[in-house]
Amino acid sequence: DADVTQTPRNRITKTGKRIMLECSQTKGHDRMYWYRQDPGLGLRLIYYSFDVKDINKGEISDGYSVSRQAQAKFSLSLESAIPNQTALYFCATSDNRGPDEQYFGPGTRLTVT
Amino acid sequence: AQSVSQHNHHVILSEAASLELGCNYSYGGTVNLFWYVQYPGQHLQLLLKYFSGDPLVKGIKGFEAEFIKSKFSFNLRKPSVQWSDTAEYFCAVESLGGFKTIFGAGTRLFVKA
Repeated sequence: DADVTQTPRNRITKTGKRIMLECSQTKGHDRMYWYRQDPGLGLRLIYYSFDVKDINKGEISDGYSVSRQAQAKFSLSLESAIPNQTALYFCATSDNRGPDEQYFGPGTRLTVT
Repeated sequence: AQSVSQHNHHVILSEAASLELGCNYSYGGTVNLFWYVQYPGQHLQLLLKYFSGDPLVKGIKGFEAEFIKSKFSFNLRKPSVQWSDTAEYFCAVESLGGFKTIFGAGTRLFVKA
C-alpha cells in the first residue's frame, strides 16, 4: 500500500463550488504539506503543518484553507473554486527528527470550469 | 526572498549522451539540497540529497550532484542517459531554521531512443 494517499485523484468542478482534497499517510510523520504544481512554475507551497496543532501559510495560501484532523490526515479546501486554481495538487510528508526528504502522494488533478 | 533557479526548462538528448542540469539558489545560510524526479504520470520521488559532508553525492540510477557552496549551486549529472530517464527534474532547497523547502521550476528532459 502507498505511504501517502490522496483522494480524489481527479476532479472537475465548477466555479464557485467548495471542494476538499484529502491526504492520508501511514509513515508516522508529523510534518505534512500541500503544494500545487503548474507547468513552468514547479511546486509552490500552499500550507504546511508540523504537528496537529501547528498550521502555517505557504507562499500561495489565498483562496485555500486546511484542516489537520489527525497526525495522519491533512485536508485542503477550496472555499469557492476559481478557474486559475486548476492545477495538480500534491500532498507530502516528512520526518521532524532531522533533515529529511519529503514523501509525495500521487497527486490530485483538479479542473475548475 | 529565497529562490531556486533551474537554468534549462527543456532538454532533449540522445541516449548515451551526458547530462548536466543546473541549479542555483539564493540563500546565504546553511542549506539542505535535493533533486527530485517526476516520471510521466507519477508523483515526485527523491533522486538524491545533500545535508553535509562530501559535496559530491550519488543517488539512484547513476545520478550524482555536486554542491559548490561558493557558487550556490547543486548541479545534477549523469554520464550516460537512457530513454527511461525521460522525466521532469526538480531541484529543491531547504534552509535550516526556515523549515520550508523551495522548489525550482523544473527541467523537462526528453531522451531520444
